Amino acid sequence: DTAVSQTPKYLVTQMGNDKSIKCEQNLGHDTMYWYKQDSKKFLKIMFSYNNKELIINETVPNRFSPKSPDKAHLNLHINSLELGDSAVYFCASSQGNPDTQYFGPGTRLTVL
Amino acid sequence: AQSVTQLGSHVSVSEGALVLLRCNYSSSVPPYLFWYVQYPNQGLQLLLKYTSAATLVKGINGFEAEFKKSETSFHLTKPSAHMSDAAEYFCAVSEAGGYQKVTFGIGTKLQVIP
Repeated sequence: DTAVSQTPKYLVTQMGNDKSIKCEQNLGHDTMYWYKQDSKKFLKIMFSYNNKELIINETVPNRFSPKSPDKAHLNLHINSLELGDSAVYFCASSQGNPDTQYFGPGTRLTVL
Repeated sequence: AQSVTQLGSHVSVSEGALVLLRCNYSSSVPPYLFWYVQYPNQGLQLLLKYTSAATLVKGINGFEAEFKKSETSFHLTKPSAHMSDAAEYFCAVSEAGGYQKVTFGIGTKLQVIP
């Protein structure tokens, strides 16, 4: 069983479109995260939720909107996609914060 | 504010040689420290972590790291490199207590030469 899963794995889209990435964890963890990894492999936290409550909201354009319907799911919706949004987006989860984070396989977003 | 500095974005070692990846941290309170590894086209996975217990921490795949408060360092070592160790390695820091974010270093790409 995959611990942290993300869909889709690849996403290619045009500038200006709206897209969503979904994340699910079956580890029973309370905390979930979204990270953005750029082309130089730099990993930057975007959001963190604990039991469906937003606890970390970094300086991210408000075109990015996370949603956590329950503590096992954390989705990321992106409006009006821009070229600079191209990156790999990772979902992660942990039990408490800080503790070991378990990462999903990533979603490679390419904006044309 | 917490931060992590990884010295050397690329490190090359021969197979069988010592692996040493450097990490220095800055934190205003006692830190939690982590090393993660990322293989190509995969997510990150934990190698080891320091959470204020023993200063010498052993992890998976023969890696270990030593927390040195006086040097604010948490360097990662492995006595003998294997080809399968080729990957990107990330040092990370978090401040103990409450809901604190984890800050990652820029990563060090380890190349193992046969």
